[in-house]
Formats: sequence, structure tokens, C-alpha cells
Amino acid sequence: GAVVSQHPSWVICKSGTSVKIECRSLDFQATTMFWYRQFPKQSLMLMATSNEGSKATYEQGVEKDKFLINHASLTLSTLTVTSAHPEDSSFYICSARRGLAGEYNEQFFGPGTRLTVL
Amino acid sequence: GIQVEQSPPDLILQEGANSTLRCNFSDSVNNLQWFHQNPWGQLINLFYIPSGTKQNGRLSATTVATERYSLLYISSSQTTDSGVYFCAVLSGGYQKVTFGTGTKLQVIP
Repeated sequence: GAVVSQHPSWVICKSGTSVKIECRSLDFQATTMFWYRQFPKQSLMLMATSNEGSKATYEQGVEKDKFLINHASLTLSTLTVTSAHPEDSSFYICSARRGLAGEYNEQFFGPGTRLTVL
Repeated sequence: GIQVEQSPPDLILQEGANSTLRCNFSDSVNNLQWFHQNPWGQLINLFYIPSGTKQNGRLSATTVATERYSLLYISSSQTTDSGVYFCAVLSGGYQKVTFGTGTKLQVIP
């Protein structure tokens, strides 16, 4: 159990276009999902925390209007990179946490999406 | 915010050797996890260990929350153990997740 999927696994797009990445918990309900960004040879940086049915909480320095997060159901969260530019190229990873918001439960990670903006 | 440092940053082992990876954190935490990131980027859960000791096959982990560190032991290492190992902590009333700096492990035959 505790499988998280991400789609697409990789995407190449032109500068100025928008890209949507989906994160799904396949066999459990996730009240809380997280979005991370990872640059080559670096650690993961938390971008935002999303709770089902409410607005996402963004980390300092992350542009809310550029990285739109929607957590419309207990099994799906989406990240939309709007008007993408080459500097947005990165590895984006989502995770989902079982249990109620406020509980300190284990996170399970998706396989990641590699975004390349030309 | 909380600082999470891992050591060593890089480690090369001969197959069959044992190793200890360390994760230090600067403040109290609500939980701690260890992950292995494989060459394709997938993060694999190893341990959920806010305190105490757990073992799973050749791997074991110990967290001493009062002294703000956790250790990951790898015994009889195999080439498939290669990759980057991260610890991640959940801290504060806001429950922010912070990843450590990572340890890149290479196991050579």
C-alpha cells in the first residue's frame, strides 16, 4: 500500500506555456500533499503544502501566481507551472501523507516529473 | 528555521562493508524519516522513526530526539545500495517538512 503516482514523468515545453503536473495517491486518502523542487545534485526544497479543500500554503520565496496548486479531492493534487521559463526547469516531486491534517504521519513520494523549458 | 545537516556528504564503500550515516537537526522535531533516492529520482521510504531504533534487513536506524540526531546503519553493503540518502524532519506547529543535505553513497564491487 501507500503508492503515489505522478503524471507526466517528464515534459518538455516552450517558454511561455503552462504545464500541469498531477499527483495521485492510489490506495489511500491524503488530506495533505506536498510539492517539492529538486535541482541537480541538491536536496529537496519544499514549495508548498496543500490540504484537501483549502488553499495551499506556500513557502517563502515561492510565487503563488506562478505555481498554482489545487487539491480538489482526497486523492489528487495538481501543480500548474504558469508561463514557464527556462529557469523553471527542474525535477518536481510530490508526496502524500495519510491520516488527518495535523497528524505526524509518514509521507510517501511520487516518482517525480522532470520539466525542461526551452 | 530548522537546520538539517547530514554527514558525510559523500561516501564510497567496497561491497560488503558497513557504514553509518548521520543526520543532525537543530531543533525538536515531531517526526523523522529516512529515504533512499535511486538514480531515477524516486524516493523510497526506509524508516519512519521519530525516536528509538528500528531494523529492516540489512538496514537499521536510531533516532535520539533529545540529542537531536538520527543514524542510519547499512551493513554488508551492496551495489544496489548506491544512491543518495536523505533524512527529513517535520517540525514546529506549522509542521514544516525540511530535508537534510543528503549523503551520496557509491558502493563499488
